Amino acid sequence: EAGVAQSPRYKIIEKRQSVAFWCNPISGHATLYWYQQILGQGPKLLIQFQNNGVVDDSQLPKDRFSAERLKGVDSTLKIQPAKLEDSAVYLCASKRSTEAFFGQGTRLTVV
Amino acid sequence: AQSVTQLDSHVSVSEGTPVLLRCNYSSSYSPSLFWYVQHPNKGLQLLLKYTSAATLVKGINGFEAEFKKSETSFHLTKPSAHMSDAAEYFCVVSLPDSSYKLIFGSGTRLLVRP
Repeated sequence: EAGVAQSPRYKIIEKRQSVAFWCNPISGHATLYWYQQILGQGPKLLIQFQNNGVVDDSQLPKDRFSAERLKGVDSTLKIQPAKLEDSAVYLCASKRSTEAFFGQGTRLTVV
Repeated sequence: AQSVTQLDSHVSVSEGTPVLLRCNYSSSYSPSLFWYVQHPNKGLQLLLKYTSAATLVKGINGFEAEFKKSETSFHLTKPSAHMSDAAEYFCVVSLPDSSYKLIFGSGTRLLVRP
């Protein structure tokens, strides 16, 4: 089966600009996660969807980050405006039962 | 609150010697536990998982882990390291009372010397 697709793979933006990431999960997976992985650290959950509803967004900096999952399939994560500390790899994952599958991630560099 | 602790940030072994990556968790509930591996510029790959069945879990590439409830541990082992095992390893916990979100440890970087 096809894996979790993410785009773009790399993005460089200036601080205060906006950026959006896209994720296409594995077909039939109801659960979708967005994680932020800062260099040298473990991934940190930003938001979890179940179908098109938000299950957990307690760690999402809602003043600048937003995410949606229209129709319970694809998802987008947006940052506006970006800060230097947002430089990280943004990982999308999807899950149907117990195992989560991860995409390759989007590496964001804010300069 | 639940958390997962990886006790070593770096582990260095010689090729052909055993690997031990340590992981402890804290939870009031029966957790699901996972080990993921991340090679440079690659995505996260599941090595193995524990979901309340057999306490000794075998995974891919010769890795295995044992769930020890009394010690709240889920250490990852491999009898003989290979150069291709060099990567970052993450211990992950998932709990039903937290909507099954995956909580990652800080990671252990495994170095394999020739």
